[in-house]
Amino acid sequence: DVKVTQSSRYLVKRTGEKVFLECVQDMDHENMFWYRQDPGLGLRLIYFSYDVKMKEKGDIPEGYSVSREKKERFSLILESASTNQTSMYLCASSPLRRTHTEAFFGQGTRLTVV
Amino acid sequence: SQQGEEDPQALSIQEGENATMNCSYKTSINNLQWYRQNSGRGLVHLILIRSNEREKHSGRLRVTLDTSKKSSSLLITASRAADTASYFCATVTSGNTPLVFGKGTRLSVIA
Repeated sequence: DVKVTQSSRYLVKRTGEKVFLECVQDMDHENMFWYRQDPGLGLRLIYFSYDVKMKEKGDIPEGYSVSREKKERFSLILESASTNQTSMYLCASSPLRRTHTEAFFGQGTRLTVV
Repeated sequence: SQQGEEDPQALSIQEGENATMNCSYKTSINNLQWYRQNSGRGLVHLILIRSNEREKHSGRLRVTLDTSKKSSSLLITASRAADTASYFCATVTSGNTPLVFGKGTRLSVIA
């Protein structure tokens, strides 16, 4: 059974902390994505990666960075957490194809910054 | 940038009825996908329809695509309480570009 695993379901952090959200997939997918989901705003793309050590900015990259040192792992980093980064964070992966196929999502991390 | 917009934002129906959700988008696409999200969980892929297709079926799901109107609809027939979830459309504009999601429709199926 294919799997995208996010390290935490729930996380509470303090303002100013550096926060790491980890995502691991076991499907040997080339593409990995980080989205955040907020009520009334749907899913918005933060960063994505098509290969190891490469990254591309999505629509809302400010305040975030990412790391992809290994193909199966894509980390989202909040350099200095702020209360407006309280949100649900969703990681996804998909195989590299000529045209895009379905994405597989993790269970989500609900982050609260206090 | 938000590409798809689902309509309605919320829908409440009785078990056994059909549920129809619509999605409109702004730019030309390579394909359009529908996803389902149970409360507080990740998204699960339901169906993908390519830009050269007009209709697709999967079990109780029927998806249509009208590229001239830049719109798609998802029909769930004979709904069940277990269909209660949020449904999102997502578009792919070309090649291997990331999915761009709409804001979703919250469906409640009352037993």
